[in-house]
Amino acid sequence: NAGVTQTPKFRVLKTGQSMTLLCAQDMNHEYMYWYRQDPGMGLRLIHYSVGEGTTAKGEVPDGYNVSRLKKQNFLLGLESAAPSQTSVYFCASSYVFSYEQYFGPGTRLTVT
Amino acid sequence: AQSVTQLDSQVPVFEEAPVELRCNYSSSVSVYLFWYVQYPNQGLQLLLKYLSGSTLVKGINGFEAEFNKSQTSFHLRKPSVHISDPAEYFCAVSKQAGTALIFGKGTTLSVSS
Repeated sequence: NAGVTQTPKFRVLKTGQSMTLLCAQDMNHEYMYWYRQDPGMGLRLIHYSVGEGTTAKGEVPDGYNVSRLKKQNFLLGLESAAPSQTSVYFCASSYVFSYEQYFGPGTRLTVT
Repeated sequence: AQSVTQLDSQVPVFEEAPVELRCNYSSSVSVYLFWYVQYPNQGLQLLLKYLSGSTLVKGINGFEAEFNKSQTSFHLRKPSVHISDPAEYFCAVSKQAGTALIFGKGTTLSVSS
């Protein structure tokens, strides 16, 4: 099993550009999450999904949109990138009644 | 709201010395506690978790943690640090299954020989 994978691994955007980050999991997990990691801030939840077709806002949702059209995929979109969105983005997934989350390798995004 | 405080942002130790990484949490209800490790340029890997039962939890790579409800702490310990242990360590708390983890800001462990 590949576990949780993220595409791309690195990306550089200019201010105002858009992009989509893809997260895929092959563990048949119901729940999926997007976090961002900034130096000295730990990880903060952006959006999450409790099942196909459902999404919800986390702690820092502004400037991001998400979609969960298929159970195994969770997409994070930036419609108009800003330098404040320079960060490392992690996707995670978990079973419905499990406390353990499995993390992907991360996407390092730089917005200039 | 729940919060997690990692009391040390950086902890330098010598190889084979013991180490403790401190974590305190705030919550008025039951919580579930985790320690994750992040090696350079990698994702997060679960070290150990406390859900219920014995307050002393053993994890991978020789790490253990003790849940102390009265002090609202979940400190991570290793009796003898290995040269491969340098990484970022995150303490996290969850209120219930399927909800987001609340992370501390992380502690950087460095090891010198």
